[in-house]
Amino acid sequence: DIQMTQSPSSLSASVGDRVTITCRASQGIANYLAWYQQTPGTVPKLLIYATSTLQSGVPSRFSGSGSGTDFTLTISSLQPEDVATYYCQRFNSVPFTFGPGTKVDIK
Amino acid sequence: EVQLVESGGGLVQPGRSLRLSCAASGFTFGDYPMSWFRQAPGKGLEWVAVIRSKVYEGATEYAASVKGRFTISRDDSESIAYLQMNSLKTEDTAVYYCTRDFPQFVSLAEVWGRGTLVTVSS
Repeated sequence: DIQMTQSPSSLSASVGDRVTITCRASQGIANYLAWYQQTPGTVPKLLIYATSTLQSGVPSRFSGSGSGTDFTLTISSLQPEDVATYYCQRFNSVPFTFGPGTKVDIK
Repeated sequence: EVQLVESGGGLVQPGRSLRLSCAASGFTFGDYPMSWFRQAPGKGLEWVAVIRSKVYEGATEYAASVKGRFTISRDDSESIAYLQMNSLKTEDTAVYYCTRDFPQFVSLAEVWGRGTLVTVSS
């Protein structure tokens, strides 16, 4: 099975900072990569799919890039409401695995 | 408003069965693939199963951890998806989420229910 890893596992940044999270697949997955946000105590929310397509309603400070095995999620200017755990997920084939998550909080 | 409401969770002993339901509203249920995901307490997300739409003959797929024990099904006339869970293990303890997936990409979950907690313990 293709394994998904994320780095860092957690980070702390100031409001307004640029934040980058990395996701790596153990084999190439083309652009079949999605990012979800789960704020504390809530349900996961789809942010980005197909590597870089923003889901409707998601603020433009979120962006995604990459292809093949290496992907990034960038928050251009961190806001207090962005405190959450972020998960990457591949959706090219079964099993549709997630990365372990990156916890983001405010310094 | 698009809505998914899970039910059927609870406390169950190892080896027993449980059936989860997911009632959908606000969209044409039969046009969409539906998935179940789970999240163990304090842990990450895990995809469990998917059932495709009628156009794809309702084909199903499962995570290796539940294959042979869990069965996903759907009733398009009632707009309900089900997850039948047999031979439950303590490691199946989790919040189970029902999702509506993109029509063209199964497991790409664009709408999530609030989840239902399943606790497997003696």
